[in-house]
Amino acid sequence: NAGVTQTPKFQVLKTGQSMTLQCAQDMNHNSMYWYRQDPGMGLRLIYYSASEGTTDKGEVPNGYNVSRLNKREFSLRLESAAPSQTSVYFCASRSGTGNYGYTFGSGTRLTVV
Amino acid sequence: GQQVMQIPQYQHVQEGEDFTTYCNSSTTLSNIQWYKQRPGGHPVFLIQLVKSGEVKKQKRLTFQFGEAKKNSSLHITATQTTDVGTYFCAGGVSGSARQLTFGSGTQLTVLP
Repeated sequence: NAGVTQTPKFQVLKTGQSMTLQCAQDMNHNSMYWYRQDPGMGLRLIYYSASEGTTDKGEVPNGYNVSRLNKREFSLRLESAAPSQTSVYFCASRSGTGNYGYTFGSGTRLTVV
Repeated sequence: GQQVMQIPQYQHVQEGEDFTTYCNSSTTLSNIQWYKQRPGGHPVFLIQLVKSGEVKKQKRLTFQFGEAKKNSSLHITATQTTDVGTYFCAGGVSGSARQLTFGSGTQLTVLP
């Protein structure tokens, strides 16, 4: 099925642990994004990649790193998890043509204890 | 930086009543998009507006973009239980590689 695939769907980490959230899209989209969603705060941009080989900081990049591995894959890494990073993380991609709407993955629910 | 405010934060309506959510930007937008997120789900793209004063309809949903391109609204006529979810607006600024700033969303509950 065409779309954005995120793994894992759920994760519990201890403070200080590291992990990588994986994201892959099969729609040949140039742009990819990582958002976090917290209650009452909408979607906040962590990092984005306008095209393969480029990445840029968004609104809330502290504590995260990203890698645009190729056109399909965009990963998000937490080097030393903190309870403040407990959130739902969404990956999204966007075509440069057409309706310009974002296609979101199903999300990763991360709890840091 | 750019801010997009959305009101109300919550709205409870009786099935069959109308519903409206409003979005206001601190800066002039080049486009605005609307998304719907069902409980426990992910945001799903509904529509994009780009022209000043533009009005678009999708069945019972009417989307408007303000003349000054700083505000927008989503109106649902005769709500149904399938309309339950959170509706987000997202504003784009021309020349901004970050593309979209999302509002905080309006959570709609439809009582049967």
